[in-house]
Amino acid sequence: GAGVSQSPSNKVTEKGKDVELRCDPISGHTALYWYRQSLGQGLEFLIYFQGNSAPDKSGLPSDRFSAERTGGSVSTLTIQRTQQEDSAVYLCASSFIPGQGNYGYTFGSGTRLTVV
Amino acid sequence: KNQVEQSPQSLIILEGKNCTLQCNYTVSPFSNLRWYKQDTGRGPVSLTIMTFSENTKSNGRYTATLDADTKQSSLHITASQLSDSASYICVVSDQTGANNLFFGTGTRLTVIP
Repeated sequence: GAGVSQSPSNKVTEKGKDVELRCDPISGHTALYWYRQSLGQGLEFLIYFQGNSAPDKSGLPSDRFSAERTGGSVSTLTIQRTQQEDSAVYLCASSFIPGQGNYGYTFGSGTRLTVV
Repeated sequence: KNQVEQSPQSLIILEGKNCTLQCNYTVSPFSNLRWYKQDTGRGPVSLTIMTFSENTKSNGRYTATLDADTKQSSLHITASQLSDSASYICVVSDQTGANNLFFGTGTRLTVIP
């Protein structure tokens, strides 16, 4: 696609429920990143994919968080047993060559998750 | 510790005025520095990217400068418009690997008529 697409754009869920957030990167982008942005905070790294593998998942805050990527394309971030502190905007970014040279990262518009 | 600090945290200016946003970093070894604009409810959009050898780069009314010696960057906005109201995020990359982005917390700019 023309840009990074994330869905849903907004999600309200009850505490304890599981949620799935989807990211559709730019076609051909091999690197995919998930970040979390809490109100008034900077972007917090969650996980990075190169192809279908995740060389760096050090940012996942707990074992309730998991992510997968299939076909080197779409990625899903799953949060199990959601807590109120999970409320944030979850941003996905993709790039052609991860972190090198002048290749920029393109961000999606994010999914705003609210846990009530 | 690799850090990126931005100032001011927030800024309000009159339409038509100029402003300058600051970014100081301690990221090493330095690879490149990016400025992003993030409108409310949207993902960040890249404005400029600069490598070690570049001192200044412009994108329309946005001009970014980089002093790699003092590890400082600035984003200058000329003749501000209401649509410039957004958060501006400084992002610095190091050379250690693929996941090597360090984010500032941003400057929230509000342009008022």
